[in-house]
Amino acid sequence: AQSVTQPDIHITVSEGASLELRCNYSYGATPYLFWYVQSPGQGLQLLLKYFSGDTLVQGIKGFEAEFKRSQSSFNLRKPSVHWSDAAEYFCAVAAGNKLTFGGGTRVLVKP
Amino acid sequence: EAQVTQNPRYLITVTGKKLTVTCSQNMNHEYMSWYRQDPGLGLRQIYYSMNVEVTDKGDVPEGYKVSRKEKRNFPLILESPSPNQTSLYFCASSFASGIRYEQYFGPGTRLTVT
Repeated sequence: AQSVTQPDIHITVSEGASLELRCNYSYGATPYLFWYVQSPGQGLQLLLKYFSGDTLVQGIKGFEAEFKRSQSSFNLRKPSVHWSDAAEYFCAVAAGNKLTFGGGTRVLVKP
Repeated sequence: EAQVTQNPRYLITVTGKKLTVTCSQNMNHEYMSWYRQDPGLGLRQIYYSMNVEVTDKGDVPEGYKVSRKEKRNFPLILESPSPNQTSLYFCASSFASGIRYEQYFGPGTRLTVT
């Protein structure tokens, strides 16, 4: 069975600084990988996804993620964080017809 | 407007009192799914449906039932709720019968079982 680990429960970053959120997955075959964002009191919104091809994936809101098969990782990055990026971020892996989420990383943005 | 709706948004109930949380989507999506979100555990899939009359268990199906009689609706039924089912529930749908596609999430239903 697949699994996803997000090692950082909370991250605090200053506005304008760079952000990197870690995601490690466990799955035997080629994974379908996703990053979702959940703003306070909201549902989840897709930031980006990886299925195949170029391992650097661009998403919405200036986010990108890099798939590294050798490290079983799919880390999310943003070069310059805005206060509106304060939210909870979830990495997810799809296998068969199921979607498995990590525990989430809550991002706090300091002015 | 394309959306997934859930009702109710908030619900407080007592142990053992049957309840239904409705989910409806207006995008003609084939795939629908229910998740529960608990702190530190992320979202865990309860049930999913590939199409009308086709449902299957996710990772945490115990204590829940679903049905898919119409394409647009996918209600979640708790026949005898217990306090450990206190959680935030999300319904989601996606275009095709494949988890590869982006899922569109509803706004969530916060359930408290006392």
